[in-house]
This record gives sequence, C-alpha cells and structure tokens, in this order.
Amino acid sequence: DAKTTQPPSMDCAEGRAANLPCNHSTISGNEYVYWYRQIHSQGPQYIIHGLKNNETNEMASLIITEDRKSSTLILPHATLRDTAVYYCIVRVAKNYGQNFVFGPGTRLSVLP
Amino acid sequence: ETGVTQSPTHLIKTRGQQVTLRCSSQSGHNTVSWYQQALGQGPQFIFQYYREEENGRGNFPPRFSGLQFPNYSSELNVNALELDDSALYLCASRLGGAGGTQETQYFGPGTRLLVL
Repeated sequence: DAKTTQPPSMDCAEGRAANLPCNHSTISGNEYVYWYRQIHSQGPQYIIHGLKNNETNEMASLIITEDRKSSTLILPHATLRDTAVYYCIVRVAKNYGQNFVFGPGTRLSVLP
Repeated sequence: ETGVTQSPTHLIKTRGQQVTLRCSSQSGHNTVSWYQQALGQGPQFIFQYYREEENGRGNFPPRFSGLQFPNYSSELNVNALELDDSALYLCASRLGGAGGTQETQYFGPGTRLLVL
C-alpha cells in the first residue's frame, strides 16, 4: 500500500500557483519524498525529490514540514500543460523496487 | 525526453497468448523496473532487474517474467494472457548500486496492451 495520502483532485487557475499537498505521517528518517506527474497516457515524469530540506528546481518547489509528516509541491505559475495526475511517493534510500509505491495521486486541472 | 524507450507502443493480443515487451534504458543506467498501470489507477511494481539479475518483485504471478541484457536493455514477458492483463506497461531506469542509491528513476512512454 502507498504510504501517502493525497486529495483526489484539485483545480487551479492558469498563471496562479498550484499547491499540491501530500500526507506521509508514517515516513521514516531515511525515506525520501518523490513527486512525479503523469500527463494523459504518457509515462510518469520526474519532478522533484527531497529528504528534509526544501528543494527547488526549474519545474517546481518542494516544501517538507519540519516533522516530515507532510509536504507540498508548488508549481509557481501553472499553465494548461501542467494538467496531469501528480503522485507523491516515499521511498527508503536503500532500494526502489517494491518500496516505490504509487497511490492514486491528485488529478490537477489547470483552468484558463 | 528521458532517454528510456519502449516498444511496441501499442499491442493487441487474445486471451491465452504470450507477449514480449521491450525497454531500452537511459544511457549509463544499469537498473530497470517494470510497472503495470490499469486504467484509472497508479502504476504497480512488477519487478526490477539490476545487472541482469531480478532483485525485487511485486505481487505478480510467475507468468510475468523478465530479462535484462548486458547492455541493460530489458524484456517483460507475459504468458497465458488474461483479460485483466490489459494495461499500460511502463519501464523505468536508473543508476543503481549494491549499497542502495538515491538516484532518480526515469520512465519510458509505456506500451499499451489490450487483451481480447
């Protein structure tokens, strides 16, 4: 079973920031938080990952709470092309494999 | 583009047949994982290959098998196809190591299999 919970769907206006929450209350100290997204019928696309500190790259920012029990993916200026299913995954550092479990994700709709 | 390629893109088979799906990993990646994604669900882990050996398996029956070749490309074979095997099959590659790694996993575009 996935170790994360996410809202099933969210809407965001084009040009505004999209904030996607993820709860991972049972996360262990050596587990990373990963975010992927999947645009309709394509393979999942890597977005960002982190362990403890907040992270930022050209696609998004990842904010992890101090207790690490939840995180938020931020798309600073959402566009229509950001419409996708977003998956939050926790993974122990030792291996992927059966430890890399996808939940149902959040379906983000960016509206014009 | 992730550099991970899969073939074919689409495939139609009938129940009871066998199918082979192929994956070429990103250059330099020695670990390949396969996932099954049914319509409307998240991907489910099938198995993982590292240096030509299976080193992790999800909850899938033995009729799902695989291979990894010296160039790190991989095949997924499914025997005795069932209607429920209809899904998007995803391959992902990364640079793995015996001691574990935080290297990022990158996915291919998938092969959509329809079993009639």
